[in-house]
Amino acid sequence: AQSVTQLDSQVPVFEEAPVELRCNYSSSVSVYLFWYVQYPNQGLQLLLKYLSGSTLVKGINGFEAEFNKSQTSFHLRKPSVHISDTAEYFCAVSGPGGSYIPTFGRGTSLIVHP
Amino acid sequence: DAGVTQSPTHLIKTRGQQVTLRCSPKSGHDTVSWYQQALGQGPQFIFQYYEEEERQRGNFPDRFSGHQFPNYSSELNVNALLLGDSALYLCASSLDALVTEAFFGQGTRLTVV
Repeated sequence: AQSVTQLDSQVPVFEEAPVELRCNYSSSVSVYLFWYVQYPNQGLQLLLKYLSGSTLVKGINGFEAEFNKSQTSFHLRKPSVHISDTAEYFCAVSGPGGSYIPTFGRGTSLIVHP
Repeated sequence: DAGVTQSPTHLIKTRGQQVTLRCSPKSGHDTVSWYQQALGQGPQFIFQYYEEEERQRGNFPDRFSGHQFPNYSSELNVNALLLGDSALYLCASSLDALVTEAFFGQGTRLTVV
């Protein structure tokens, strides 16, 4: 079975400050990892994904994430946030252990203050 | 490309009624998955359709059923609605069975009263 834990339900930060949203996963086999963003009243949009290869993954809107197999983590980072980054962020894991169906975490609400 | 489109955007139903939600996948995508997202939660997988067959199913009762048409569009049906079925229902389409990238619609907000 696979599962995802997003350690923070809410992360408040000031504009132009760096941010890290934490994600830990559980899976007994190799995994694919994803971060999605959801703006109010909208569906989910893919920010970035790790399938294989380099453990540092760059995505859209200046976000990046690092796959750490030994710590089973896939934390999302951005060096300088904008007001427009205020949204809900979801980490997801998939792989052969779950028939490649993504399992989502409960989400982290990023709140950027001016 | 219109992306993934879902209809209706909002719906209010009474307990015990039945509802049908619709989804048109992104152009060229043949795999459609449905998710339920309760308030303050992450999306929960309901089922996935490919070539008009249900390929995978999550932990949802038989009241939840679906269909995929030859043009890859899909429907989600829920019978005997419960108050707990109130949620945002998301449709996602993908190009491959490994779902290396899922494209989501904006969802249908279902309220059961």
